[in-house]
Amino acid sequence: EVQLVESGGGLVQPGRSLRLSCTASGFTFGDYAMSWVRQAPGKGLEWVGFIRSKAYGGTTEYAASVKGRFTISRDDSKSIAYLQMNSLKTEDTAVYYCTRFQTTGRGGGPLDYWGQGTLVTVSS
Amino acid sequence: DIQMTQSPSTLSASVGDRVTITCRASQSISSWLAWYQQKPGKAPKLLIYKASSLESGVPSRFSGSGSGTEFTLTISSLQPDDFATYYCQQYNSYSPTFGPGTKVDIK
Repeated sequence: EVQLVESGGGLVQPGRSLRLSCTASGFTFGDYAMSWVRQAPGKGLEWVGFIRSKAYGGTTEYAASVKGRFTISRDDSKSIAYLQMNSLKTEDTAVYYCTRFQTTGRGGGPLDYWGQGTLVTVSS
Repeated sequence: DIQMTQSPSTLSASVGDRVTITCRASQSISSWLAWYQQKPGKAPKLLIYKASSLESGVPSRFSGSGSGTEFTLTISSLQPDDFATYYCQQYNSYSPTFGPGTKVDIK
């Protein structure tokens, strides 16, 4: 059974950093591109970014709203994807979901598995 | 970026009703569209991909159609478990975008 479990959320002050982790199981993690999607309280879904599999260079893509502040990485030996969030703003407050692309390593495409989400609150 | 719109934003319906939700893209996305269902406090669930392909395990009362810039999600006979918010998502580019959502509630 495919499982994605996020961790690392919490309350953080504006301007500070936070790192989220996504621990995957039930599939060959290294074969898949992984993505992060967020949802502000009471709002819709916003794509944050994704990382391709090593077979596709392990490169990343980001939404304009987070580019230059957020970094996605992966450790295939541990089946973990990370979201490093720097220079956090109040508008980054959201539930952050780790997701898997249905179409393996290149990225892009529908998201067929989602974690339960972890709440990040940016507030002073 | 490609902008997505959905209509209506809220839909009130009864069990057994046929329900249709429309999603429009600001430019052609061929058939690169997915639909998701989200219930309160839960993660979204993939229902439909490539505009009309049913994800494994999703009931056949869900169907999708369309191409280019206009798409529809249809629930043929609404069930109690279907009251939720539905989102479309384009993946024509490496900068995917979601629609604002359509909430289906009980009439």
